[in-house]
Amino acid sequence: EVQLVESGGGLIQPGRSLRLSCATSGFNFVEYAMNWFRQAPGMGLEWVGFIRSKAYGGTTNYAASVKGRFTIARDDSESTAYLQMNDLQFEDTAVYYCTRGSPRGGSGIDFWGQGTLVTVSS
Amino acid sequence: DIQMTQSPSSLSASVGDRVTITCRASQNINNYLAWFQQKPGKAPRSLIYESYSLHSGVPSRFSGSGFGTDFTLTISSLQPEDFATYYCQQYNTYPLTFGGGTNVEIK
Repeated sequence: EVQLVESGGGLIQPGRSLRLSCATSGFNFVEYAMNWFRQAPGMGLEWVGFIRSKAYGGTTNYAASVKGRFTIARDDSESTAYLQMNDLQFEDTAVYYCTRGSPRGGSGIDFWGQGTLVTVSS
Repeated sequence: DIQMTQSPSSLSASVGDRVTITCRASQNINNYLAWFQQKPGKAPRSLIYESYSLHSGVPSRFSGSGFGTDFTLTISSLQPEDFATYYCQQYNTYPLTFGGGTNVEIK
């Protein structure tokens, strides 16, 4: 059974950093890109970024709203993806979801994690 | 960025009704269009990719169509478990963008 479990969310002050994890099981992690999305309270879905599989260079792509502040990484040995969030702002408050996707990134999104809530507040 | 416009933003329907949701892209996205379902307090669920292909386990009452800029999601016979919010998303061009969502409510 494919599973994705996010962790690391919580209450954080503006300007601080937080790292989210997405632990996976039930599939061959190395073959897939990993995507991050978010959803602000009461709002729609927003793409954050993705990291391609190593076969496609393990490169990343980000939304403009987070580029330069957020970094996505992966540890294939642990089947885990990460979202490092620096200089957090109030508007980063959201539930963050990781998803599995096609190895090239950006497409073929099938399985989602349950999400983890990040609240940026002073 | 490609803008995705869904309509209606909400609708009321009864069990057994045929429901159609439309999604329009601000420019050609070929068939790189996905649909997701989300229930309150839950993670989204992937329904359709490449405009019309159903993900594994998605009931056949769901169908998608369209190419270019105009797309539709159809539920042929609405079931109680289908009351949810539906989102379209394009992945033809970065950044990936979503429609604003369609809330399907019980009449």
